[in-house]
Amino acid sequence: EAQVTQNPRYLITVTGKKLTVTCSQNMNHEYMSWYRQDPGLGLRQIYYSMNVEVTDKGDVPEGYKVSRKEKRNFPLILESPSPNQTSLYFCASSLKSRGIYEQYFGPGTRLTVT
Amino acid sequence: GNSVTQMEGPVTLSEEAFLTINCTYTATGYPSLFWYVQYPGEGLQLLLKATKADDKGSNKGFEATYRKETTSFHLEKGSVQVSDSAVYFCALSDSGGGSEKLVFGKGTKLTVNP
Repeated sequence: EAQVTQNPRYLITVTGKKLTVTCSQNMNHEYMSWYRQDPGLGLRQIYYSMNVEVTDKGDVPEGYKVSRKEKRNFPLILESPSPNQTSLYFCASSLKSRGIYEQYFGPGTRLTVT
Repeated sequence: GNSVTQMEGPVTLSEEAFLTINCTYTATGYPSLFWYVQYPGEGLQLLLKATKADDKGSNKGFEATYRKETTSFHLEKGSVQVSDSAVYFCALSDSGGGSEKLVFGKGTKLTVNP
């Protein structure tokens, strides 16, 4: 089944404790992206990757890192989480279909930083 | 920059009622437009899309027409069902600078009562 998977689905952690949220897709998509969803703000892009070893900042990259060593994986790293990073995070990957990027989303990771 | 504005929710309807969720956009160039749906506890799913002016996207009884003259992409359904209860996001594709991302509206929560 074609899908984007994220782990963990739920995470409660404390300020300053490094964490990684994994994302994997099995559709051989080149493009992958991370978004955060906050009430009243919709979804905002954190980082994206056009291909292996190619990453760039989105709209809200502060406090986050990513890597793209393999095509299928795109982990999101929080080196020193803070409470303002409490949010719902989505990973997405894109198939370019007739010039249009149709993005497929993972199920989300709900992160709470205390 | 590019932006999407959609009507504030929540929207509450009775089953079989007519649905309209308004969406307008600001963009340079000619973006593609999308509606995504998020069911409770799940990630976003592409509902429909349109790639150029006057295109009509449709899926599962939902429709939206790309109106360049009014910069709008309103979502409509003639007869909603309880199973349509979800959060709906309007989005545009932003291909500026060689990147590719979705710019989302803030979402509209729809509740359909039996």
